[in-house]
Amino acid sequence: NAGVTQTPKFQVLKTGQSMTLQCAQDMNHEYMSWYRQDPGMGLRLIHYSVGAGITDQGEVPNGYNVSRSTTEDFPLRLLSAAPSQTSVYFCASSPASSGNRYTFGSGTRLTVV
Amino acid sequence: DAKTTQPNSMESNEEEPVHLPCNHSTISGTDYIHWYRQLPSQGPEYVIHGLTSNVNNRMASLAIAEDRKSSTLILHRATLRDAAVYYCILRDASSGNTGKLIFGQGTTLQVKP
Repeated sequence: NAGVTQTPKFQVLKTGQSMTLQCAQDMNHEYMSWYRQDPGMGLRLIHYSVGAGITDQGEVPNGYNVSRSTTEDFPLRLLSAAPSQTSVYFCASSPASSGNRYTFGSGTRLTVV
Repeated sequence: DAKTTQPNSMESNEEEPVHLPCNHSTISGTDYIHWYRQLPSQGPEYVIHGLTSNVNNRMASLAIAEDRKSSTLILHRATLRDAAVYYCILRDASSGNTGKLIFGQGTTLQVKP
């Protein structure tokens, strides 16, 4: 049981480049979320999904796109990377009930130069 | 989303109990109280959650005030490995809730040998 898998673990991008951060979970969880964490700060919610085909914006959605075509996968797309998007990105998943816990991935450290 | 208030930082001595407070005066009847922690350079991990009654697990205990406007996470014997940022989060369980988990700034716990 792998849990939540994020790839890549590290990435350096040039300003204006695009890329997709991958997130996959094998626990059949309905809910999935993407967070970013800037140095010395707490986690901020970017986008979330309550099931395949359903996504919504979180606290800081600008500059990011998501889609959820399957229960297992929730990729995060940066269309045109900016230095302000330098951060550590965490993906998380949870069963639907709010009485259940979220499981987090180990993160992707992204640097935009 | 209802807000929580936590002290920015706390210190503890190794092998002593630690009581981490959280105020949530605007909590609604359907909000679960969740605690997560984030060890240095890792993703957040679930600690414990509860609704109305006190809860115990192998990691910690959660004491919830009778009016539910505050709670306390109790680590019974702090170890150096417990040094982390601890987040108290309210998660709405009402019908149609989106399952969002919104992080605040948390409490940075320092454990001294």
